[in-house]
Amino acid sequence: NAGVTQTPKFRILKIGQSMTLQCTQDMNHNYMYWYRQDPGMGLKLIYYSVGAGITDKGEVPNGYNVSRSTTEDFPLRLELAAPSQTSVYFCASSLGTSYNEQFFGPGTRLTVL
Amino acid sequence: AQTVTQSQPEMSVQEAETVTLSCTYDTSENNYYLFWYKQPPSRQMILVIRQEAYKQQNATENRFSVNFQKAAKSFSLKISDSQLGDTAMYFCASILGGDKIIFGKGTRLHILP
Repeated sequence: NAGVTQTPKFRILKIGQSMTLQCTQDMNHNYMYWYRQDPGMGLKLIYYSVGAGITDKGEVPNGYNVSRSTTEDFPLRLELAAPSQTSVYFCASSLGTSYNEQFFGPGTRLTVL
Repeated sequence: AQTVTQSQPEMSVQEAETVTLSCTYDTSENNYYLFWYKQPPSRQMILVIRQEAYKQQNATENRFSVNFQKAAKSFSLKISDSQLGDTAMYFCASILGGDKIIFGKGTRLHILP
């Protein structure tokens, strides 16, 4: 049981490039989330999904896209990377919302130069 | 707007001492959920403790306990007999309505030998 896995762990992008951050969970959780954590700050929700085929915007969705074709996978797409997207990105999953614990992946450190 | 505020950016205590981390929140909801997450230097986010707002009894998990004051909208974390492994960023978080969790900016806790 690997939990929540994220790839890559580190990435450097040039301004204007695109990339996809991968997230996979093997706990059969319905809910999945993408957060970004800027230096010295808490986590801000980018997008979330309550099940396959259903996604919704969080607090800071601009510049990102997601899809949820399976229960296990929730990739985050960055189009036209900008320096403001330099951050650490965390994927998380939970059985449901409310009281349920969110399980986090190890994070992806992204730098846009 | 629903917010979670941590007023202590950084704290240091000696090993074996007791330390309390503060958290306040703002919501018009009557039922909601509160969490403390720990982020050690490894970056992995780990749930420490959680509380349902309709439960008056304060949650306890081993050396970790909360002081939940619903009227004051306060949710502080007490760590007893602190250990070097407690050194981490601690995030207060809340599901104040809907599916989305809101994180505070965090408190960096140093346990000194």
